[in-house]
Amino acid sequence: DVKVTQSSRYLVKRTGEKVFLECVQDMDHENMFWYRQDPGLGLRLIYFSYDVKMKEKGDIPEGYSVSREKKERFSLILESASTNQTSMYLCASTPKGQRFYEQYFGPGTRLTVT
Amino acid sequence: QKEVEQDPGPLSVPEGAIVSLNCTYSNSAFQYFMWYRQYSRKGPELLMYTYSSGNKEDGRFTAQVDKSSKYISLFIRDSQPSDSATYLCAMSLTGGFKTIFGAGTRLFVKA
Repeated sequence: DVKVTQSSRYLVKRTGEKVFLECVQDMDHENMFWYRQDPGLGLRLIYFSYDVKMKEKGDIPEGYSVSREKKERFSLILESASTNQTSMYLCASTPKGQRFYEQYFGPGTRLTVT
Repeated sequence: QKEVEQDPGPLSVPEGAIVSLNCTYSNSAFQYFMWYRQYSRKGPELLMYTYSSGNKEDGRFTAQVDKSSKYISLFIRDSQPSDSATYLCAMSLTGGFKTIFGAGTRLFVKA
């Protein structure tokens, strides 16, 4: 059974803190993604990675960075958390090749920045 | 204008009803059209995908794509309370990394 896991389900952080969100997949997928999901806005792509140490900006990368040191792990970093980064964060992965459209999502991390 | 528009609902129907969920889009280059289902406090899961135009059926679910109108639909027959979830449409270019998601329609099926 394919699996994407995220380090925390709920997280509360203070403004200005550095925040790390971790995602691990056990499917040997090449591509990994970080999205945020907000009511009325749907899923918006923050960053994606198509290989170890490779990354590309998505639509809303400002205030975020990512790290992919191992194939199975993709980390999202909020360098200095702000209240407008309060959101649901979803990690996803897809295989390389023809089934690139089939994204497998983790359960999400609900982050609150106070 | 958003690339993908989806009515957020909520949509409330009685058990057994036929449900129609829809999205419109603006980029005529999209070739892959997906529907994801997201239960409360879970991540989305792929329900169906269609390549280019046409219909695809899987049990009680039918996905339709009308590229000439830039309109996609998901029909659920004999809806069940277990179908209560948020349904997200999504679209992608051939070979593209990027998938554009609709905002999701929240569906409630009442027993």
